[in-house]
Amino acid sequence: DAEITQSPRHKITETGRQVTLACHQTWNHNNMFWYRQDLGHGLRLIHYSYGVHDTNKGEVSDGYSVSRSNTEDLPLTLESAASSQTSVYFCASRAGHLSAEAFFGQGTRLTVV
Amino acid sequence: DAKTTQPNSMESNEEEPVHLPCNHSTISGTDYIHWYRQLPSQGPEYVIHGLTSNVNNRMASLAIAEDRKSSTLILHRATLRDAAVYYCILRDSHYGGSQGNLIFGKGTKLSVKP
Repeated sequence: DAEITQSPRHKITETGRQVTLACHQTWNHNNMFWYRQDLGHGLRLIHYSYGVHDTNKGEVSDGYSVSRSNTEDLPLTLESAASSQTSVYFCASRAGHLSAEAFFGQGTRLTVV
Repeated sequence: DAKTTQPNSMESNEEEPVHLPCNHSTISGTDYIHWYRQLPSQGPEYVIHGLTSNVNNRMASLAIAEDRKSSTLILHRATLRDAAVYYCILRDSHYGGSQGNLIFGKGTKLSVKP
């Protein structure tokens, strides 16, 4: 079955380190998204991509970057991790703009100490 | 900014119907109404969506007011597994670009009592 997977599921890192969270989907979806979820804020959009080599900033993009070199993967990089980036991160994919259903991964819990 | 208003929490008894309300008084003509839910420790999952007419699927029903300023997600028989946060989201599927992205509010936390 097609799926969307995130790795790692849990990570602890130190302040100032570069961290990359992986997201891989096997549906051949064009649209991919990264969200973070914190208590009291719900899910907030970090970055999104509508296709290979396309990336766009969401509402909370400062300190994060993404790259889309193929259809299947959208890795999220924290250039210099900060304690404020401790959160649960969710990746999602959708076939295209007209598609109703987005599929979410299981999440990555990141702790920055 | 979230364009929908939902109650923070609701309670239901197992095997009874649940009606989850959502107000969206500023909805535009091309906004679809989407519902997602998030079970504990999981990513959100799609539930249902609609534009003007009521919709049914295996998970739920969506009742949309005639003026489209409100909608109700209906779970016909709540189970313990339906305990989750339910998000009502407006999404403009007519155009490409950021208007079509899913923007989550805080949703309604549904508790189901045995």
